[in-house]
Amino acid sequence: DSGVTQTPKHLITATGQRVTLRCSPRSGDLSVYWYQQSLDQGLQFLIQYYNGEERAKGNILERFSAQQFPDLHSELNLSSLELGDSALYFCASSVREGGAGGELFFGEGSRLTVL
Amino acid sequence: AQSVTQLDSQVPVFEEAPVELRCNYSSSVSVYLFWYVQYPNQGLQLLLKYLSGSTLVKGINGFEAEFNKSQTSFHLRKPSVHISDTAEYFCAVARSGNTGKLIFGQGTTLQVKP
Repeated sequence: DSGVTQTPKHLITATGQRVTLRCSPRSGDLSVYWYQQSLDQGLQFLIQYYNGEERAKGNILERFSAQQFPDLHSELNLSSLELGDSALYFCASSVREGGAGGELFFGEGSRLTVL
Repeated sequence: AQSVTQLDSQVPVFEEAPVELRCNYSSSVSVYLFWYVQYPNQGLQLLLKYLSGSTLVKGINGFEAEFNKSQTSFHLRKPSVHISDTAEYFCAVARSGNTGKLIFGQGTTLQVKP
């Protein structure tokens, strides 16, 4: 158990819909990262927050947005969903802004299926 | 920009045999290198990392990797594998300054057979 909690574990929805994925980082970790794992693109970094502020952006679509709340949990919002958005979305956390030397703690992921 | 190539998508091996999972990277700047493991239906777990210093790094579960700057490689090795090592292994690279922004390879599935 990494200490990172993601909900929901599985989500099935239709094209055009909007979903929210939630992540609670490990106790004490201030940085939250979102990654997408798909068959086509592999594992891709989406976005990072540190103590409530956006710190780095990767290949995140404009239809996607994220935020980190004062209690440090984070949400990833996916809208106008397309079939290609079907993927496993991971949240990871680390204690420091810069990733603590690569020691990221990953949650078990939220599997999104868009039909 | 950085990129990572894992040279084998699947590696079948018998239990107690040695294994090497190959990883090459490309970068115009200094990078840090990592190996992560993903067991079925679980998140990723850090196996080992190279930040600086000795080019031979040891990780958890008996794995080790060697950083070779001239060959831009970071191959993962284990002298004797167990059935429980069956998993997906990911090589990743990050620039200094933000080692949380990882660029992953496509992954190698290690299949350990009895």
